[in-house]
Amino acid sequence: EADIYQTPRYLVIGTGKKITLECSQTMGHDKMYWYQQDPGMELHLIHYSYGVNSTEKGDLSSESTVSRIRTEHFPLTLESARPSHTSQYLCASSGDRGQDTQYFGPGTRLTVL
Amino acid sequence: EDQVTQSPEALRLQEGESSSLNCSYTVSGLRGLFWYRQDPGKGPEFLFTLYSAGEEKEKERLKATLTKKESFLHITAPKPEDSATYLCAVQTKTSNTGKLIFGQGTTLQVKP
Repeated sequence: EADIYQTPRYLVIGTGKKITLECSQTMGHDKMYWYQQDPGMELHLIHYSYGVNSTEKGDLSSESTVSRIRTEHFPLTLESARPSHTSQYLCASSGDRGQDTQYFGPGTRLTVL
Repeated sequence: EDQVTQSPEALRLQEGESSSLNCSYTVSGLRGLFWYRQDPGKGPEFLFTLYSAGEEKEKERLKATLTKKESFLHITAPKPEDSATYLCAVQTKTSNTGKLIFGQGTTLQVKP
């Protein structure tokens, strides 16, 4: 059973607001990921982290930023939200030593008006 | 370019009517193929990982198989609670991120 949490589950905000999407895992996994999923579309990687103080951008260009100060915590921030940021954001984590399986959180559905 | 294609996009079955979902992949080198189940408004739930051609894994009414070009998710005597979107994803040997490349999914509806 995966223990990975995301808050909030749903967020509706106005254009220009700064937001932070939270992601936490209690499995001690070193690797963490952020994916973006539009309705009916496939997931695309936007950020990943190998461990504390290690973050990289994924394949899909995103105006969001991430930080990894603690192993269990991987927040995503949008400095100035726009309607084009409306999407589902999914956080995942995986362990080391050949344990490649990524476990996903419940997601945050973001709507920017 | 690494690519994953799932078919059909949508599938409607009667309860008890067995069928298979297909996942075709084109990658530079397969490290692993993953199946997930996703319910509306939720994150993907892990089902199986397959690493080499010929490998099979089972869980309740689901059985996943792998060849060098595709994977099948066989659903035997499905029930309405099996209704969901099933996602296939691959991880490549050349990726240094461990990222998953996803297909668009197959949305399964099982009617009682």
